[in-house]
Amino acid sequence: QKEVEQNSGPLSVPEGAIASLNCTYSDRGSQSFFWYRQYSGKSPELIMSIYSNGDKEDGRFTAQLNKASQYVSLLIRDSQPSDSATYLCAVVNNFNKFYFGSGTKLNVKP
Amino acid sequence: DGGITQSPKYLFRKEGQNVTLSCEQNLNHDAMYWYRQDPGQGLRLIYYSQIVNDFQKGDIAEGYSVSREKKESFPLTVTSAQKNPTAFYLCASSKLAQSSYNEQFFGPGTRLTVL
Repeated sequence: QKEVEQNSGPLSVPEGAIASLNCTYSDRGSQSFFWYRQYSGKSPELIMSIYSNGDKEDGRFTAQLNKASQYVSLLIRDSQPSDSATYLCAVVNNFNKFYFGSGTKLNVKP
Repeated sequence: DGGITQSPKYLFRKEGQNVTLSCEQNLNHDAMYWYRQDPGQGLRLIYYSQIVNDFQKGDIAEGYSVSREKKESFPLTVTSAQKNPTAFYLCASSKLAQSSYNEQFFGPGTRLTVL
């Protein structure tokens, strides 16, 4: 079992719609959770971090964490073609060990 | 202007050569990391270091070596023992584990190709 699981996609949504990206993790003791955006050929860029159960909003992005169910999600409202990228979920355990998912590719169609 | 720099951006290696990838950060971060990313794949940890003069192997350390002589610098050497080194190499840094703000930030990457 992988430490972090993501659906590889691609996830296709029309411009203006909500994109929902999901991630599950195996270590129940994980403390920190991050979403990175990676454009093709570029390095990952941190877009959201979340540390406690519930929702955290930043502009068009909302991160949701449910530790009991061991999943974290990212919602992108009013999706734009510029949001087309691969989104990586990262989970950090008690020993500061980062685990990255393999990413979900998002396509936003004009 | 704080950040992480990696050089070179592109690197070509001949069979049997050792090559060294540079990574420098001016964020005053204690921890630094090296990852490898293959096409369509996630990130795999090669080595990481949480303090100067100390580093630990990650999941795929064979064929690689690192040093951490300065807080700002964490160079990675790809040795001839690494049989399939063609990949995108990413350097990252973060504050120490005990901090709640332990996000990792990435440099722009080095794309290594074996000729």
